[in-house]
Amino acid sequence: AAGVIQSPRHLIKEKRETATLKCYPIPRHDTVYWYQQGPGQDPQFLISFYEKMQSDKGSIPDRFSAQQFSDYHSELNMSSLELGDSALYFCASSTQGQARDQPQHFGDGTRLSIL
Amino acid sequence: AQKITQTQPGMFVQEKEAVTLDCTYDTSDPSYGLFWYKQPSSGEMIFLIYQGSYDQQNATEGRYSLNFQKARKSANLVISASQLGDSAMYFCAMREGDAGGTSYGKLTFGQGTILTVHP
Repeated sequence: AAGVIQSPRHLIKEKRETATLKCYPIPRHDTVYWYQQGPGQDPQFLISFYEKMQSDKGSIPDRFSAQQFSDYHSELNMSSLELGDSALYFCASSTQGQARDQPQHFGDGTRLSIL
Repeated sequence: AQKITQTQPGMFVQEKEAVTLDCTYDTSDPSYGLFWYKQPSSGEMIFLIYQGSYDQQNATEGRYSLNFQKARKSANLVISASQLGDSAMYFCAMREGDAGGTSYGKLTFGQGTILTVHP
């Protein structure tokens, strides 16, 4: 079965640079979530989109922005990168029409390292 | 206040034995869902099991079962017949606003428990 695709898998940047992470949800999933997992930490919710509109916002820095496109893929744009942005970034997808017991499906994550 | 609490930073179990990973939660929402995810050292998040707040029976999924005690606000994961491949980080997570058969709510995770299975 098709899964959530994230790209790139690994990304190395320097301080003050920008980065763009991409997420392709499972086909027919209309909701995308972004999470940030720092080293040794639990995943923290950043932002979510439903039908291309922002549906919820968590602890996302102002330096970050995201959007969901007409084909439902999503991009997380990160600017003025800081050392503390080094983390594993997950994208997850779901559909609002799903049964309650259906979970969010996670991609394999993008590991971002800031030098 | 922490919404999901996993009090066991690390757990050890002998292969083929059962192990219980603890999770307590805090919410005022009457409708919520509880999830367990497994995160191996490779990093991916693998869904294991779900329990809805209105479900009368404890969820089971193969070797995984959930000991759901609503009054105590606990949702402990029980892994039976542990295997070496079960060694991983395990996260308990909650999704609030889980009513009506649809949900778009974010997940709130606990701190995780590292499980090590010994041969």
